[in-house]
Amino acid sequence: NAGVTQTPKFQVLKTGQSMTLQCAQDMNHNSMYWYRQDPGMGLRLIYYSASEGTTDKGEVPNGYNVSRLNKREFSLRLESAAPSQTSVYFCASRKGEVRTGELFFGEGSRLTVL
Amino acid sequence: QKEVEQNSGPLSVPEGAIASLNCTYSDRGSQSFFWYRQYSGKSPELIMFIYSNGDKEDGRFTAQLNKASQYVSLLIRDSQPSDSATYLCAAPNNAGNMLTFGGGTRLMVKP
Repeated sequence: NAGVTQTPKFQVLKTGQSMTLQCAQDMNHNSMYWYRQDPGMGLRLIYYSASEGTTDKGEVPNGYNVSRLNKREFSLRLESAAPSQTSVYFCASRKGEVRTGELFFGEGSRLTVL
Repeated sequence: QKEVEQNSGPLSVPEGAIASLNCTYSDRGSQSFFWYRQYSGKSPELIMFIYSNGDKEDGRFTAQLNKASQYVSLLIRDSQPSDSATYLCAAPNNAGNMLTFGGGTRLMVKP
């Protein structure tokens, strides 16, 4: 049972380069999320998709774009990477609604921007 | 002010002791709270969910919610070195469309 799968697990970019983080879930969840985690900051929501065909901004969306390709897949794109985007990125999917549903996380993608 | 606040720690307790982790929140309308555990280098996993005032127990874990004082706690009884991790408190935001996380408390259980 794969759950939530993210690729790549590690990536080093130079400032100005672009890249896409891929995420797929096999639990038939409607909602999917992209978080970033920085030391002492907890998890901050970048973008989310409450259902296939919809995407919305979270707390820190600047510098990112997302695509909900289908019910399974939700990708995060950095068009022009900046050192401030060095972070660990987690994709998650939710079972149920926000107030009661559990988040299932991928293993994370560690991104370094030089 | 961040909606969900936690002391970053580290909180150090001896093996077998009770570890007490606290979380305060700013929105009086918050109805439910989550505790996630995150081992170093790993992804968060849900360990407790609480939505009503009082205590909720699950094995060695007890979540306590006090809506009047706007705090939620996680108690870990008989702490084990394997409990050493960062514990993240989370609550739905005002609009109810996303989960807001605190900064996490790092717990160290020493043998």
